[in-house]
Amino acid sequence: ETGVTQTPRHLVMGMTNKKSLKCEQHLGHNAMYWYKQSAKKPLELMFVYNFKEQTENNSVPSRFSPECPNSSHLFLHLHTLQPEDSALYLCASSQVPSPNPYEQYFGPGTRLTVT
Amino acid sequence: AQKVTQAQTEISVVEKEDVTLDCVYETRDTTYYLFWYKQPPSGELVFLIRRNSFDEQNEISGRYSWNFQKSTSSFNFTITASQVVDSAVYFCALSEANWNSGGSNYKLTFGKGTLLTVNP
Repeated sequence: ETGVTQTPRHLVMGMTNKKSLKCEQHLGHNAMYWYKQSAKKPLELMFVYNFKEQTENNSVPSRFSPECPNSSHLFLHLHTLQPEDSALYLCASSQVPSPNPYEQYFGPGTRLTVT
Repeated sequence: AQKVTQAQTEISVVEKEDVTLDCVYETRDTTYYLFWYKQPPSGELVFLIRRNSFDEQNEISGRYSWNFQKSTSSFNFTITASQVVDSAVYFCALSEANWNSGGSNYKLTFGKGTLLTVNP
């Protein structure tokens, strides 16, 4: 595997379910990110992890719970979601600091539908 | 607050036409970076280019070119002789540097994207 992978690619869940999204990066990076992409809205940064430590929580509701056990893996645990949480969830990674700062590499995303 | 505006929601062209995607940004930072990403139907964002605020030279890469104008806060993207494979959503993004005690992290502010459709 190369680059940034995400599983599952598609997920349908009820409002009372608990599920997790997984992201893995094979680039040797030390920072990882979760973004939410809703229809007709800009990509929204949700969480940032540097060296496994969360450094950014962009006012995300507590029904989204991130976990970063090591610098290669990032999870997003979901529980009691709302229909408006249906979106494409993108994971990204980068190297900080870097001679090429701010360059983030994205995974293919998980298309989440909450019913 | 940082902001990126892509006024063109959708553009449709015929193959071999040239097309320009507009991007206007707002920032109070004197040091910043601008990006373009491509998102094909598969969903993955593909990095295209990064420019820093001190380098206003235009850049050309094959059929792609970028025009950075600080005076108008614009970073426009032109595809010459478009092809069907260029069909995608294109995002312009702006960085801000945020130094925390644990190191640094770099936040990207994205525009809403422009859906480009190239018809055969």
